[in-house]
Amino acid sequence: AQSVSQHNHHVILSEAASLELGCNYSYGGTVNLFWYVQYPGQHLQLLLKYFSGDPLVKGIKGFEAEFIKSKFSFNLRKPSVQWSDTAEYFCAVKGRSQGNLIFGKGTKLSVKP
Amino acid sequence: DGGITQSPKYLFRKEGQNVTLSCEQNLNHDAMYWYRQDPGQGLRLIYYSQIVNDFQKGDIAEGYSVSREKKESFPLTVTSAQKNPTAFYLCASMVPGELFFGEGSRLTVL
Repeated sequence: AQSVSQHNHHVILSEAASLELGCNYSYGGTVNLFWYVQYPGQHLQLLLKYFSGDPLVKGIKGFEAEFIKSKFSFNLRKPSVQWSDTAEYFCAVKGRSQGNLIFGKGTKLSVKP
Repeated sequence: DGGITQSPKYLFRKEGQNVTLSCEQNLNHDAMYWYRQDPGQGLRLIYYSQIVNDFQKGDIAEGYSVSREKKESFPLTVTSAQKNPTAFYLCASMVPGELFFGEGSRLTVL
């Protein structure tokens, strides 16, 4: 069965610090990978996605993620966080032949001004 | 504007009552989904539908029911058989490559 593991439940950073949120998945076939973000009081929105090609994917608001197939990982990064990045971040995976996305448990990011 | 509309946003019900949450989309998407979000649990799939008049159970379907009579509508009923119904419910629709979410419905069972 597919599963997604996010390593950190809650990350606290100061503004301008670098961010890396871990995500590992288990699935035997070809996958599509996603990071979603939920800002306080707002609906979930797509940060970035990987389908194929360049394993380094750039998303909105300066976020990027790298797909490392050998490690079954899709970690999210940002060189310098801002207070406005405070949110909950969800990694998700979809097997190519599957009809639904499987989500991780989420990582809350708190950025101190 | 195109999007997904969930209603009501907040709902309070007594134990033992069935509750129906509405989800409407005007994005012309075939696939629609219901997820449940609990603190520390992420999003867990309840039901999904890839086409009108067809739907599949997700990981936590027990105590829930759905219908898909129209492409734009995918209502979720939380029945009295659901043991822990208090939660935040998210509806979504998908095109290949992306899920679009509604703003959610928060159900509290007293």
